[in-house]
Amino acid sequence: GAGVSQSPRYKVAKRGQDVALRCDPISGHVSLFWYQQALGQGPEFLTYFQNEAQLDKSGLPSDRFFAERPEGSVSTLKIQRTQQEDSAVYLCASSVNGETQYFGPGTRLLVL
Amino acid sequence: QKEVEQNSGPLSVPEGAIASLNCTYSDRGSQSFFWYRQYSGKSPELIMFIYSNGDKEDGRFTAQLNKASQYVSLLIRDSQPSDSATYLCAVNIGAAGNKLTFGGGTRVLVKP
Repeated sequence: GAGVSQSPRYKVAKRGQDVALRCDPISGHVSLFWYQQALGQGPEFLTYFQNEAQLDKSGLPSDRFFAERPEGSVSTLKIQRTQQEDSAVYLCASSVNGETQYFGPGTRLLVL
Repeated sequence: QKEVEQNSGPLSVPEGAIASLNCTYSDRGSQSFFWYRQYSGKSPELIMFIYSNGDKEDGRFTAQLNKASQYVSLLIRDSQPSDSATYLCAVNIGAAGNKLTFGGGTRVLVKP
């Protein structure tokens, strides 16, 4: 079946603008993860959902970051009042068992 | 000390040779270990996972785990130019939920 999809693939935002990034996991995958990857570094964990429950949000860097998965499928990561340091690739991953995670193509965010 | 450490490389390997990648982790409670391949500008792609001490082979790839030494490695046999990529080691610490903690990645360059 289809893999994890993310949209938009690229987003340019002006500093202070709000952005919303969407993730559509693999069908039937109950676990969904968001990661942030800065250039030249490994992905860093942001938050984790099991169905609609957000079980871990310890990686969200500030209260400007908010994620939701209201129906246990599609998830949205929202960043309010974007800053230049938010520029990164935002990766979504899903898993059927919470262990083996499959990544989407990512959203490349550039904040000017 | 970072939780998951990898040599950033680049690791230069002649075509047809064995590429050996190493990863160390700091948390003795770590339960599962993953290797991802990431081509430039693309998202991580799962290659291997390993849970138990010893070797696990899949095609040209072999993962090796030594929990006593807190060490996991990846061998790529008969390296091909298409193997040129960054290889990310990821660890599921378990006690902290299902999030993956990544190393910074090792860049591999296979020269024809």
